[in-house]
Amino acid sequence: QVQLQESGPGLVKPSGTLSLTCAVSGGSISSSNWWSWVRQPPGKGLEWIGEIYHSGSTNYNPSLKSRVTISVDKSKNQFSLKLSSVTAADTAVYYCARMYEIVVVAATRYYYYYMDVWGKGTTVTVSS
Amino acid sequence: DIQMTQSPSSLSASVGDRVTITCRASQSISSYLNWYQQKPGKAPKLLIYAASSLQSGVPSRFSGSGSGTDFTLTISSLQPEDFATYYCQQSYSNLSWTFGQGTKVEIK
Repeated sequence: QVQLQESGPGLVKPSGTLSLTCAVSGGSISSSNWWSWVRQPPGKGLEWIGEIYHSGSTNYNPSLKSRVTISVDKSKNQFSLKLSSVTAADTAVYYCARMYEIVVVAATRYYYYYMDVWGKGTTVTVSS
Repeated sequence: DIQMTQSPSSLSASVGDRVTITCRASQSISSYLNWYQQKPGKAPKLLIYAASSLQSGVPSRFSGSGSGTDFTLTISSLQPEDFATYYCQQSYSNLSWTFGQGTKVEIK
């Protein structure tokens, strides 16, 4: 079964760039799924950051779009997150997740998406 | 963005209780609604997708209902392992998937 593992520096300086990688095992990143990043500040709720398809197509949270880049490396079966100009507000646990797609065919096609596989998460602290 | 509002923010319940959590969307999202459970220090776990479909391996005491703007997650008989925080998430607009703020279920 598919497993995800986040990796990257746990400490980033203010105004710097946060860089994380999510390794996909037990399946191919080229399968028909989107691959997402979600974060959770200490004691707070979940915030979707963005997602990528193996083709390289991306969608980003509008509130973070100017600072986020998500990329995919099919040869390494992994995808990555870069978040620039970080501040203390970007301190969080960062999760990668698979956004699974199912199609229900009735009178028309309905596409449902849900995050069914998650990494364990990695804590990133922004501090000097 | 589609805003998701959960109620209550927290609740206290006893083992065996029936628990209901509500999620309201700021616009109609049909049945594009997922529910997750998160325990402290752990990643979220998918419980329900498409408003009412139970994810494989999830106990049948969990159920989801609703369509349009109003949704509910029900735990028919609360078990000790169900004490956690629950989040709804809309999957209607991939311009920005959004989560509710969470509902913490605590032991009474």
